[in-house]
Amino acid sequence: DTGVSQDPRHKITKRGQNVTFRCDPISEHNRLYWYRQTLGQGPEFLTYFQNEAQLEKSRLLSDRFSAERPKGSFSTLEIQRTEQGDSAMYLCASPRPGQEYLAGELFFGEGSRLTVL
Amino acid sequence: RKEVEQDPGPFNVPEGATVAFNCTYSNSASQSFFWYRQDCRKEPKLLMSVYSSGNEDGRFTAQLNRASQYISLLIRDSKLSDSATYLCVVRGTDKLIFGTGTRLQVFP
Repeated sequence: DTGVSQDPRHKITKRGQNVTFRCDPISEHNRLYWYRQTLGQGPEFLTYFQNEAQLEKSRLLSDRFSAERPKGSFSTLEIQRTEQGDSAMYLCASPRPGQEYLAGELFFGEGSRLTVL
Repeated sequence: RKEVEQDPGPFNVPEGATVAFNCTYSNSASQSFFWYRQDCRKEPKLLMSVYSSGNEDGRFTAQLNRASQYISLLIRDSKLSDSATYLCVVRGTDKLIFGTGTRLQVFP
C-alpha cells in the first residue's frame, strides 16, 4: 500500500458522458501528479499540483479535461464528453513522503481504469 | 521522436538467464534516471535509480552512458518473479517521463 488511493477503480461509461476520478495522495504531501496509461504504453504525464496550485498541464490535457485540488489535499480529474480514445488507466501519484520536491520516486495509486463504450 | 525510447519486447527468457534492456533518451540536459517495474494490471514502482558510475542492487545492474544518452538494465539469474514490464524513466522539469516499457517473461 503506497498510501495513495484512487476512486473508482473501474468506470465504464458511454461516449459523451462525463466522468470524475478522485485521488487521495500520501497525507500532507504538497505534490500530486496525474498520469494516463494506455495498453502497451508507459504512463504519460497529464498535470501536477503543488498544494492547490496546478503548475503544469500537458498538451494531452484537452479542454475536455479538468483537474482540481481545491484544498491542497485530495484531487479530482474530470473528463467531459468522453470519447473512446479516453479509455485508459488514470494514475495518481505523490513523491516520497518528506521530500518537498520530486527527486525521482513517485508512489502511484492503483489507478482508475476508464472504459468508454 | 519520443523523449524516452525502449524496445517493447517481449523478451522471453528461461529461468537463470541473463537479460539486458536498453533505453535511449533525447534530452541531453537530463540529470536523473531510473528504472521502474510494473506488474500486470498494477501500478509502477521504483526498481532502482541509475547513477553515472553504474550501480548494482543484487541481481540488477543499471548503467548510464551520458555521451550516447543511453541507459541499460541487466538482470542476472532471472527468476519467474522477474516477469513484469520494466520502464525506463527520465526526470524532466518537476515530472518523470516514462518510456513505453519492455516486457519480460521468464519461463521455467
